[in-house]
Amino acid sequence: SAVISQKPSRDICQRGTSLTIQCQVDSQVTMMFWYRQQPGQSLTLIATANQGSEATYESGFVIDKFPISRPNLTFSTLTVSNMSPEDSSIYLCSVERAASRYNEQFFGPGTRLTVL
Amino acid sequence: AQRVTQPEKLLSVFKGAPVELKCNYSYSGSPELFWYVQYSRQRLQLLLRHISRESIKGFTADLNKGETSFHLKKPFAQEEDSAMYYCALRAGTALIFGKGTTLSVSS
Repeated sequence: SAVISQKPSRDICQRGTSLTIQCQVDSQVTMMFWYRQQPGQSLTLIATANQGSEATYESGFVIDKFPISRPNLTFSTLTVSNMSPEDSSIYLCSVERAASRYNEQFFGPGTRLTVL
Repeated sequence: AQRVTQPEKLLSVFKGAPVELKCNYSYSGSPELFWYVQYSRQRLQLLLRHISRESIKGFTADLNKGETSFHLKKPFAQEEDSAMYYCALRAGTALIFGKGTTLSVSS
């Protein structure tokens, strides 16, 4: 399995400010993913973060709004910039790792963000 | 378009009753499907995947390509099965999730 921690676990922010979420994994992984789960909605992939290269963003998400860093194989950050109430969501970090015979995606505990 | 549909937001059953959580998908390639579960105050975790064809905690799911479905079944529900269940489809390296179904099992 993979032990994934996220900081902060929750935060309440004012509109127009930015928040950086940290994701730490207990051992090296190639691919890390950032998901968003808006209230009552499913998980939606924001971007894939590979170490040593720029993150790959999904349709509807842009680097200016959600800049991502991936300085090494165990750590990544996601910044939610210039926040508005629509950014209120749970943000989840995920990694893929081999588990038994197959690869498996493991998820962090999430960061619950409320924007006022 | 790649899509996962879980038509039921909430499924309430009594302990010992059979359970079927529905999942339909839309994908042009060969699908790889999963069921994830999130128990109260716990993180999202993999329950089972179609290629392993396992039974986990009494749950099974069969991929039906003709009906593009991957329904999750358990013959006798237990109270500890109460949780949020997400069906997911692998598209490339990432996962596409359905909106989830809350399963509530009461005695």
